[in-house]
Amino acid sequence: LAKTTQPISMDSYEGQEVNITCSHNNIATNDYITWYQQFPSQGPRFIIQGYKTKVTNEVASLFIPADRKSSTLSLPRVSLSDTAVYYCLVGDGGSQGNLIFGKGTKLSVKP
Amino acid sequence: DTGVSQNPRHKITKRGQNVTFRCDPISEHNRLYWYRQTLGQGPEFLTYFQNEAQLEKSRLLSDRFSAERPKGSFSTLEIQRTEQGDSAMYLCASSQTDGSYNEQFFGPGTRLTVL
Repeated sequence: LAKTTQPISMDSYEGQEVNITCSHNNIATNDYITWYQQFPSQGPRFIIQGYKTKVTNEVASLFIPADRKSSTLSLPRVSLSDTAVYYCLVGDGGSQGNLIFGKGTKLSVKP
Repeated sequence: DTGVSQNPRHKITKRGQNVTFRCDPISEHNRLYWYRQTLGQGPEFLTYFQNEAQLEKSRLLSDRFSAERPKGSFSTLEIQRTEQGDSAMYLCASSQTDGSYNEQFFGPGTRLTVL
């Protein structure tokens, strides 16, 4: 399974757009890119998933360039409640048993 | 609430004791996963079930650990002869395989402290 690299931490202020980039140089043809969010003392929560180009849902956008060796999670107009750890994962879809988490990016949103 | 539930939420035990955790997945989900998470780290995969069959086990799952999912419903994770290094958050997740990516839904976890 592909390894991912993302910043350990990021700081932002309320109302700003936050972009978290993840590198996955060894991504395989069948791999999807998925982001999870985790608040303290809670389990991770699925945010968004994509394969290529751009995906948008009600909480985030995911940008994936043509070579798919990186991806960027974009959180529009963050609030204090977006303070959490964000994990980037790659995997081959339904045949994959487990998820492989890295250390994630700890996002701190300040007032 | 139809999410994944885990019990107990917290467990404090003495080294050498046995502990058992329970996970109730979302009812229609056929896959159930166990992960362990220590402070500052992401969750680490331990094992997963498809229905009642245990399909994969991580090398992290030593012989002191055993997991079951009788009848393909709830699951239990037992740790025998606990060690201080077993102190962690134990997370359970479930998913429904439908040919597309199996989004996993996580429970709140059981925090184990071994004294």
